Amino acid sequence: DQQVKQNSPSLSVQEGRISILNCDYTNSMFDYFLWYKKYPAEGPTFLISISSIKDKNEDGRFTVFLNKSAKHLSLHIVPSQPGDSAVYFCAASVSGGSNYKLTFGKGTLLTVNP
Amino acid sequence: DTEVTQTPKHLVMGMTNKKSLKCEQHMGHRAMYWYKQKAKKPPELMFVYSYEKLSINESVPSRFSPECPNSSLLNLHLHALQPEDSALYLCASSQDFYRRIYEQYFGPGTRLTVT
Repeated sequence: DQQVKQNSPSLSVQEGRISILNCDYTNSMFDYFLWYKKYPAEGPTFLISISSIKDKNEDGRFTVFLNKSAKHLSLHIVPSQPGDSAVYFCAASVSGGSNYKLTFGKGTLLTVNP
Repeated sequence: DTEVTQTPKHLVMGMTNKKSLKCEQHMGHRAMYWYKQKAKKPPELMFVYSYEKLSINESVPSRFSPECPNSSLLNLHLHALQPEDSALYLCASSQDFYRRIYEQYFGPGTRLTVT
């Protein structure tokens, strides 16, 4: 049972435009969400996170939105740059004793075209 | 410094070999993790160490043996692996296991091929 879903395996965007990556989750116990970026042959790099007490968190070009009622979050990248081309993983966690465990989605490959 | 280092970058081993993967962080993090990642799949958690003690073993076969010599180092000892164990092995660390800090920082991984 996949608790974190990234339904778009890939996304292609023009440089300078907005990239929107989506993530849905089924476990209502999740209360902390993270986005990671991964280049080939490298480990995932932490990008941005959001707690369930918020609905938006912004860091530079990256903004994460959380819609708890829809169990949906999205990562917006504005403006998109060719260096943003990578696989983006959404991850979720439950606070408390199991906060070590990140449940990852399958990832979305973002390609930003010059 | 948010760096987690892993050695070696690549490793090829036979099914009868014994080898070790190494991970190091100097961020003062007290939780360290081993993940396995197959191509086009998300990382899968294997082990969690908290304050140098093994806290979580996600039902990993005994041919994988973790070790945490001190708070900065994490090893993964490999013995009698199978070809299906070929994968990218990722180490990660986070500030604390029990507090509300969840960001895990990953190393670049070791690409393991079992022949």
